[in-house]
Amino acid sequence: DQQVKQNSPSLSVQEGRISILNCDYTNSMFDYFLWYKKYPAEGPTFLISISSIKDKNEDGRFTVFLNKSAKHLSLHIVPSQPGDSAVYFCAATHTGANSKLTFGKGITLSVRP
Amino acid sequence: SQTIHQWPATLVQPVGSPLSLECTVEGTSNPNLYWYRQAAGRGLQLLFYSVGIGQISSEVPQNLSASRPQDRQFILSSKKLLLSDSGFYLCAWSAKGVFNQPQHFGDGTRLSIL
Repeated sequence: DQQVKQNSPSLSVQEGRISILNCDYTNSMFDYFLWYKKYPAEGPTFLISISSIKDKNEDGRFTVFLNKSAKHLSLHIVPSQPGDSAVYFCAATHTGANSKLTFGKGITLSVRP
Repeated sequence: SQTIHQWPATLVQPVGSPLSLECTVEGTSNPNLYWYRQAAGRGLQLLFYSVGIGQISSEVPQNLSASRPQDRQFILSSKKLLLSDSGFYLCAWSAKGVFNQPQHFGDGTRLSIL
């Protein structure tokens, strides 16, 4: 039973355009959501998070949107840069879980120069 | 600032051999610690987590074990490796707090079983 789903395995966008990475979840107890970026042979790097009391959080070029009724979140990268090419993981947890994360399978983003 | 170290970066082991992967965290105290595995083409699966010295919780039944002999040291072990233990192993830490905290990962160990 996959509680965090990233249904698109890959995404290719042109440099300068917007990248939109989607994530769906099934566990209604999740109240904290995170995005991680991972390069090959490296550990994931924390990018941005959002609490369920918000519907948007912005940090520079990265914005995460949360739609609780749809159990859906998305990561927007504007403008996309070639250095953004990586695997992006969506993760979720809930209060009281000792910050244990449930991860999606990841989306490979390719930004074309 | 906080840093997390994992070693070795790569490891090739024969089936049936023992395993010991080590992870240490610097710049923080009393962190939560985690071991994950990423199998080829799959997401990250939580294997173990620890909220304190000697306190280990296992998330999935498996051929592996974990120990936390010191506050900022987390060790992943096996007495006899299986082919299915191949994968990319990641250690992570998070701060404790009233609110959820992000986890921060090491650079991982690529384990190949022959």
